[in-house]
Amino acid sequence: QSALTQPPSASGSPGQSVTISCTGTSSDVGGYNYVSWYQQHPGKAPKFMIYEVNKRPSGVPDRFSGSKSGNTASLTVSGLQAEDEADYYCSSYAGNNNLVFGGGTKLTVL
Amino acid sequence: EVQLVESGGGLVQPGGSLRLSCAASGFSFSNSWMSWVRQAPGKGLEWVASIKQDGSEKYYVDSVKGRFTISRDDTKNSLYLQMNTLRAEDTAMYYCARGAWNFGYWGQGTLVTVSS
Repeated sequence: QSALTQPPSASGSPGQSVTISCTGTSSDVGGYNYVSWYQQHPGKAPKFMIYEVNKRPSGVPDRFSGSKSGNTASLTVSGLQAEDEADYYCSSYAGNNNLVFGGGTKLTVL
Repeated sequence: EVQLVESGGGLVQPGGSLRLSCAASGFSFSNSWMSWVRQAPGKGLEWVASIKQDGSEKYYVDSVKGRFTISRDDTKNSLYLQMNTLRAEDTAMYYCARGAWNFGYWGQGTLVTVSS
């Protein structure tokens, strides 16, 4: 199973919005509404940010939102803050009891 | 407070074995799917294995099938990963996580290094 494709890096200034893409195929992202997003700060465990494409777990700020169109899912961070600087990973159920992650995107707050 | 605490990592030679453990607290472990996710140094996340609440279903990424075994002991609120025939490419931080196809809670990880 191939990894989902994410841009290696993204950036934005404080207060701006940034969108990170996650491209798969009709066998994963496009075939199921089981896309999740995780935030990982250096040396820390990942944190659950979005599940089932666009749902936010309790405690995640509403500045974080998810969407999907075809085989591409997206994470949008609005009103960028310094603490949003981190690595972001998408994942998708890929059928046949398999899960695939994206390669990760390093978000820099300028 | 949900806590997942991994242990059992370390340095092992290629071809060797290691058993990872994850102690869970703060939630209903017996009612939860549980999983292992790994991250090679400087690399991205990779799902490794998941186990259903009653242990009746277990799923693995292709690269570890036949070498790794996920198990659980609900009487001890513990998750395990038995890793055999280890390879250099298994070197990674191994995280215990609650869930199957999405992971709401993660431990801090235990580092496995496969090297001679």
